[in-house]
Amino acid sequence: AQSVTQPDIHITVSEGASLELRCNYSYGATPYLFWYVQSPGQGLQLLLKYFSGDTLVQGIKGFEAEFKRSQSSFNLRKPSVHWSDAAEYFCAVGALAGTASKLTFGTGTRLQVTL
Amino acid sequence: GAVVSQHPSWVICKSGTSVKIECRSLDFQATTMFWYRQFPKKSLMLMATSNEGSKATYEQGVEKDKFLINHASLTLSTLTVTSAHPEDSSFYICSARVVRDNSPLHFGNGTRLTVT
Repeated sequence: AQSVTQPDIHITVSEGASLELRCNYSYGATPYLFWYVQSPGQGLQLLLKYFSGDTLVQGIKGFEAEFKRSQSSFNLRKPSVHWSDAAEYFCAVGALAGTASKLTFGTGTRLQVTL
Repeated sequence: GAVVSQHPSWVICKSGTSVKIECRSLDFQATTMFWYRQFPKKSLMLMATSNEGSKATYEQGVEKDKFLINHASLTLSTLTVTSAHPEDSSFYICSARVVRDNSPLHFGNGTRLTVT
C-alpha cells in the first residue's frame, strides 16, 4: 500500500529565510510524486511533480524538490520565503496512467511566515 | 490552462435535504474526475473516481447511496449528498485529469458544506 508521511504539522519561518518541508513516502514501484499548496478555503494548486529523470525538480513560485530514492524522500525547498507562501502544503504519491489514478496525500504541513 | 471549476463554493442546507455539487473542466476534456473530502486540519480522502459514461468507483467505506456521483459528459461531474446530516459537513474538492499518461490532477476550489 502506498503512503505518505509529512512529519512536520506546522512550521514557522521568517520572511526571507530558507524553507524545507519534509516528505517521506512508501510505494511499491517507481513513485510519481507531487507537491500541492492549499490556501485557506481553496482547492489545491500543483507546485511541482516528479515522474522520472533529473531528481531535482523545479516548480512554480520558486519552489524545488529533490527525489531521493535511498531515503524515500521528496522534500520541498525554497531558498527565500515570501509572506504570500503561508499556506498548507501537501505531498502526494501515486500513479497516473491512462484513466487510472490514485493519489495518496500526506496530512499536510502548515507554513506560517513571520515578517 | 487546465482549469477546474467547482460550484457552489459554499452551501448551507438543512438536515435531510440533498445538495448537488458540480465540477467542470473548463478548458480540457476530463475522462476521469475524482472527488475528495477534507476534514478540518486533515488530509484529503479520496471518495470516488468518476469515469465519463460509467458508474463511479467508490473507495472503501464511502456510501454509494449517500454520495451519488454522475459523470454525464467529458467536462462535468456532479456529487449529490443525499439526505444530508450534520456529520456530512465538510470540505469537498473535485479534481480532473487531462487524458494522457502522467498528467497531474488539477483541483477545483472546493465546496464548503454545512448541514444544520
